[in-house]
Amino acid sequence: QVQLVQSGAEVKKPGASVKVSCKASGYTFTSYYMHWVRQAPGQGLEWMGIINPSGGPTSYAQKFQGRVTMTRDASTSTVYMELSSLSSEDTAVYYCARGGSSSRGSFQHWGQGTLVTVSS
Amino acid sequence: EIVLTQSPGTLSLSPGERATLSCRASQSVSSSYLAWYQQKPGQAPRLLIHGASSRATGIPDRFSGSGSGTDFTLTISRLEPEDFAVYYCQQYGSSYTFGQGTNLEIK
Repeated sequence: QVQLVQSGAEVKKPGASVKVSCKASGYTFTSYYMHWVRQAPGQGLEWMGIINPSGGPTSYAQKFQGRVTMTRDASTSTVYMELSSLSSEDTAVYYCARGGSSSRGSFQHWGQGTLVTVSS
Repeated sequence: EIVLTQSPGTLSLSPGERATLSCRASQSVSSSYLAWYQQKPGQAPRLLIHGASSRATGIPDRFSGSGSGTDFTLTISRLEPEDFAVYYCQQYGSSYTFGQGTNLEIK
């Protein structure tokens, strides 16, 4: 069965960076796009960007351009999301979500979420 | 950017009743690339509907989606206790955006 297992919770100081991982299993890693979505406490879902695990270009939401980097390691079926210049407004649960086999697809499978807390 | 507006913000109903949730887009959603998700506290979202009206794998047939263009609806025909949750619509035809959510609560 498809599983997306994310790294554990993080506490960071303002101005720092955080890198969250998402290890995929149960399917062919390079065949499906992966997305990152975040959810601030008590708030809705916010799409951050998409990565093609086969090595194609990434695409980021304009809000995060210049501050987010998504990468992948096909040898371990893992994608990463790094967010820099953190502020308290970045405190949120970060999810990876598997998209479709094209760049247009709904999110059938989700990771368990990683809580990132930004606090001085 | 396509903005999705969900209504109502909160819907209070009893088990056994019918729920109708609305999602309106600021511009037409191409090819009906519209999905609905359910989220319970402390859990990741779960895909219910994709392509505006296709149920995802394992989703009970009391959930149905309809609509096209800018107006979409999620209907739950007879509410079960486990259906009380927050529901989000999402468009994936032009980049990706989510609605702000509808909280379906027990009356």
